[in-house]
Amino acid sequence: EADIYQTPRYLVIGTGKKITLECSQTMGHDKMYWYQQDPGMELHLIHYSYGVNSTEKGDLSSESTVSRIRTEHFPLTLESARPSHTSQYLCASSDLTSPTDTQYFGPGTRLTVL
Amino acid sequence: AQSVTQPDIHITVSEGASLELRCNYSYGATPYLFWYVQSPGQGLQLLLKYFSGDTLVQGIKGFEAEFKRSQSSFNLRKPSVHWSDAAEYFCAVGAVDTGRRALTFGSGTRLQVQP
Repeated sequence: EADIYQTPRYLVIGTGKKITLECSQTMGHDKMYWYQQDPGMELHLIHYSYGVNSTEKGDLSSESTVSRIRTEHFPLTLESARPSHTSQYLCASSDLTSPTDTQYFGPGTRLTVL
Repeated sequence: AQSVTQPDIHITVSEGASLELRCNYSYGATPYLFWYVQSPGQGLQLLLKYFSGDTLVQGIKGFEAEFKRSQSSFNLRKPSVHWSDAAEYFCAVGAVDTGRRALTFGSGTRLQVQP
């Protein structure tokens, strides 16, 4: 079982607020990811990281930003939340040396922006 | 670029019945393939994966999947469904793409289990 954690699990916040979604993993994985998932829909990659000080944008354009200062920590920040940011955000990690790049997921953060 | 199609958006089966969830992929080389399950309000849990070797792979919770290269398919099966299997199931394909490994997910199949 993977050890990857996300906080908060649920967040309801007003428009214009700055928020940070936390993601941490204890597996020593180099690669980490953020996905956005609307209800009943597929996952879309919004950010990923190969390791410390490495961040890249994913397939889906997002106004959020990420940082990777420590291997185990990959927070996502929205400077000014808007209702269009309402979604579920899933964090995942994988071992860079694994040939299959198996990704392990956290429980997700369900964000609602009023 | 790779893509994944899950043709069935929603499936309902009776408890104890067999189950098959379909997954078709598009990729130019040999893919590696995954099935994940997502319970309501939860993250994704890995059920099984295929990388190479035996085309019939066994996973957790009694699930199995068969890779068929000629049909570009990776269907998930379970011989006898339990009520706790009700969830959303996602098929995903992985590839090495310009040095960046990424997973592409299908749109998911929601499974309902009738008593």
